[in-house]
Order: sequence, then C-alpha cells, then structure tokens
Amino acid sequence: KAGVTQTPRYLIKTRGQQVTLSCSPISGHRSVSWYQQTPGQGLQFLFEYFSETQRNKGNFPGRFSGRQFSNSRSEMNVSTLELGDSALYLCASSLYETQYFGPGTRLLVL
Amino acid sequence: ELKVEQNPLFLSMQEGKNYTIYCNYSTTSDRLYWYRQDPGKSLESLFVLLSNGAVKQEGRLMASLDTKARLSTLHITAAVHDLSATYFCAVDARQGGSEKLVFGKGMKLTVNP
Repeated sequence: KAGVTQTPRYLIKTRGQQVTLSCSPISGHRSVSWYQQTPGQGLQFLFEYFSETQRNKGNFPGRFSGRQFSNSRSEMNVSTLELGDSALYLCASSLYETQYFGPGTRLLVL
Repeated sequence: ELKVEQNPLFLSMQEGKNYTIYCNYSTTSDRLYWYRQDPGKSLESLFVLLSNGAVKQEGRLMASLDTKARLSTLHITAAVHDLSATYFCAVDARQGGSEKLVFGKGMKLTVNP
C-alpha cells in the first residue's frame, strides 16, 4: 500500500507570497492532519480534516487554511508568507489509532 | 492545555549500553505514541500505546504507558549505532472524535561505537 505523499517536497517563496501544499493520504484513510515543524517551536498541530470537514484547528493565524476533497486528498494554503513560516510541513493520515506521516514539504521563505 | 515533556532532550551513549527515556504529560489521555525521526526525514511510527499498563517491544526498544502517573518510558537495550535519531513522544489531545497530537520536544539520541 502506498504511503502518504506530499507535493512539492521543496519550495522557496518570498515574503508576501502565498503557497499551496498538497497531501494524498493512504488509500482508505479519511482523516488528514497537518503539522508544522520548526527548530524553535518543534512539532505543532495545524488542523485536521475528516470527510471534507475541518474537525480541529491549532493556534495558528488565519493566514493558514486548508481543505479536504471528496477523495480525502487535502491541501493547505498559507497566504502573505512571513519569514517565520519557513518550516517542514508534515501531513499525516489515519484510519484508526495511528497517524502515518508523509515525507513533508520543506518551505523556505526569503 | 495539554503539555508534553520529554527528558532528557539530548543523550549520547555507547553501543551496548541500556537507557530509559521519559515522557510526561499534563492532562488525562489514554493514547500515547512514539515516533522516530532521522535527520531531514519524516516521522516513523514506533509504538502506539492505548491503555494503562500497555507495554510494547520492537527489537531493542520497549515502550510502556502509565496513564495514572501520566508517564511513558522508552527503554533502549544494548544500543547500536542505527538507533541514532530523534525520538518524539506524542499524546492524543482528542476533542470529540477529532485527532490532535501534542508532541514533546524530542530526544536526540547519539549512539557511539
């Protein structure tokens, strides 16, 4: 079974731009979560989607948004990028107890 | 607000030695996870602990959960270099049916020959 896939893997943007990251969950998984990983703040929960509905949201500004499609694929969007948004963005999918993580998208904001 | 603390945060040990690392959390939860992360890589699931007293073992690693003490341990037996990585514990701060993992800061393990 294919794992969680994320595209793109690497991205360089400049301040003020916006970015869209994509995540395809493991087949059959309906829950998709997003996390941000930075050296300073560690791993932080962004949001979770289930059946196209956002069920939970972390403490991030409204510039961070997401959505989930009927095939469970998910996208997250960050508008008006700031230098501090440079991070590894991880997507995870789950069916029951375990969240399986994708390889991540490494975003660098210049 | 759920907080997860790991200690130590850095550990350098010799091959062949044993060690136990700790993960404490601040509010009630009965789901605790251990993940491994290699440099530049994603998170690999190691253990899922779902009930008080749960113990799981895989190779040289054994994890346990005490929900009353809000404590999980990860015991390393006869460490080998391949175990060098960062280890995260995460607690499920479940709200209704929603999944939300709160992670500790991670413990960077270096196993020296």
